[in-house]
Amino acid sequence: AQTVTQSQPEMSVQEAETVTLSCTYDTSENNYYLFWYKQPPSRQMILVIRQEAYKQQNATENRFSVNFQKAAKSFSLKISDSQLGDTAMYFCASRRFGNEKLTFGTGTRLTIIP
Amino acid sequence: DVKVTQSSRYLVKRTGEKVFLECVQDMDHENMFWYRQDPGLGLRLIYFSYDVKMKEKGDIPEGYSVSREKKERFSLILESASTNQTSMYLCASRPTERLGANVLTFGAGSRLTVL
Repeated sequence: AQTVTQSQPEMSVQEAETVTLSCTYDTSENNYYLFWYKQPPSRQMILVIRQEAYKQQNATENRFSVNFQKAAKSFSLKISDSQLGDTAMYFCASRRFGNEKLTFGTGTRLTIIP
Repeated sequence: DVKVTQSSRYLVKRTGEKVFLECVQDMDHENMFWYRQDPGLGLRLIYFSYDVKMKEKGDIPEGYSVSREKKERFSLILESASTNQTSMYLCASRPTERLGANVLTFGAGSRLTVL
């Protein structure tokens, strides 16, 4: 079974700073996907960024990038130039290729301070 | 845009009541999911369905059942609600992996309180 661990329950940074959210996972599979989802206060969950495990290049989406360390089973999310709208719960998740089940971590509550 | 609509945003029920949570998606996705979200526990999968009338248990199916009579609709049923089922329930859908799109689209959530 896959497990996903987010060791930072809460974080806060000043607006415009860079912040990194940690995620580690455990899997015996070679082919899998990794995701970061964002849940703003009272709003629905949306995808931030995803990474296929077979790709060595780290995924990037505008201000959001990941540091994917496959050997260490680490998948951290970096948010550059943080904005007030980045305030949200962030969930790391993994899914084995060919399996429908997505396993989530416990989440990190990120607050961007004006 | 894909839309996943959950019929009730907030519900308050009494212990022992039967509760239906409805979820509808409008993009012909094969796969639909019900998750439960609790503080400190993240999201835990209750049930999922990969086709009409097909269902599979997730990690915490006890006390729940599901129904998928039509492709677009996936219902979560609490036969006899209990206080420990007070939670946020999230529905999600996605197309099959062979189509290359493997991202979940979530509904807004249904916050259930059982008194």
